Amino acid sequence: GAGVSQSPRYKVAKRGQDVALRCDPISGHVSLFWYQQALGQGPEFLTYFQNEAQLDKSGLPSDRFFAERPEGSVSTLKIQRTQQEDSAVYLCASSSGQIYGYTFGSGTRLTVV
Amino acid sequence: RKEVEQDPGPFNVPEGATVAFNCTYSNSASQSFFWYRQDCRKEPKLLMSVYSSGNEDGRFTAQLNRASQYISLLIRDSKLSDSATYLCAVRENTDKLIFGTGTRLQVFP
Repeated sequence: GAGVSQSPRYKVAKRGQDVALRCDPISGHVSLFWYQQALGQGPEFLTYFQNEAQLDKSGLPSDRFFAERPEGSVSTLKIQRTQQEDSAVYLCASSSGQIYGYTFGSGTRLTVV
Repeated sequence: RKEVEQDPGPFNVPEGATVAFNCTYSNSASQSFFWYRQDCRKEPKLLMSVYSSGNEDGRFTAQLNRASQYISLLIRDSKLSDSATYLCAVRENTDKLIFGTGTRLQVFP
């Protein structure tokens, strides 16, 4: 597609519920990144894929967070047993190479109530 | 100390003013540098890459000072439409970008 597509745009979850956030990167982009952005803060790195390989997951805040990209294109970020502190905007970005910046999707705004 | 630091602002400037933001980074091995613009409730959008020799794009000038480990963004002749948050981003020796918290700019008439 022309840009990075994320769904859903908004998600309200009850505490303890599992959620799945989807990211469809720009066609042909090898690298895919997930970030978490809290209000008034910059994006915080969560995890990164090159094709289907998850090369860095050092930013995932707990083992309740899990990401996958099984066929090297679409990625899913799953959060199990959501907590209020998980409320944030989850941004996905893709890139075609190290010298380039990222293109971000519109994000998923997650609110845990 | 955070890896990438920015003054959160806000910077309130009149239309037509020149304004500059700095961003410091802690890892001297950092390789690539970028400025992003983020409007309220929108995703960050790449404004410009920052090259060692400095680079200009219209009213925007980006500079890199490796010795002092900072990058800067200068905006000349500010427009109302420049009001946004400006995020600096630094790539170390992997593909991931580390972002600052952003500097908020408000241009008033």
